[in-house]
Amino acid sequence: EAQVTQNPRYLITVTGKKLTVTCSQNMNHEYMSWYRQDPGLGLRQIYYSMNVEVTDKGDVPEGYKVSRKEKRNFPLILESPSPNQTSLYFCASSLSGTVIPGELFFGEGSRLTVL
Amino acid sequence: GNSVTQMEGPVTLSEEAFLTINCTYTATGYPSLFWYVQYPGEGLQLLLKATKADDKGSNKGFEATYRKETTSFHLEKGSVQVSDSAVYFCALSEHAGNMLTFGGGTRLMVKP
Repeated sequence: EAQVTQNPRYLITVTGKKLTVTCSQNMNHEYMSWYRQDPGLGLRQIYYSMNVEVTDKGDVPEGYKVSRKEKRNFPLILESPSPNQTSLYFCASSLSGTVIPGELFFGEGSRLTVL
Repeated sequence: GNSVTQMEGPVTLSEEAFLTINCTYTATGYPSLFWYVQYPGEGLQLLLKATKADDKGSNKGFEATYRKETTSFHLEKGSVQVSDSAVYFCALSEHAGNMLTFGGGTRLMVKP
């Protein structure tokens, strides 16, 4: 089954404790991206990756890091989480990022709470 | 920069009622336009899209027409069902790179 898998789905942590949210897709997609969803703000892009070893900032990259060492994985790293990073996070992937945008496939989301 | 504005919700309708969710956008060029749907506890799914002016996207009884003159992409459905209850997001993408700019989302609640 084609899917984007995120882990953990739910996490409560404390300020300053490094954490990683993993994202994996099994569709051989070149393009992957992270969004955060906050009430009234819709989804805002954090980082995206057009292919392996190629990453770039989205609209709200501050406080986050990403890496793309393999095509299927795109982890989101919070080096020192703060309460304003409490949010619902979505990973998404697509076949290609270089043509007219096609369908984005989203994971089920990771709800993060930073105390 | 680009932006997408949607009507605020929640929108509450009775089953079989007509649905319109307004969406307008601001973009510097000629974006592609999308509607995504988020069912409770799930990620977003693409509902429909249109890539140029006057295109009509349609899926599952939903329709939206790309109106360049009014910079709008309103979502419509002739007869909603309880199973349509979800949050609907309008979005645009202008640049190569699949970067989507989302509106704030509109929650639809359909009552039997």
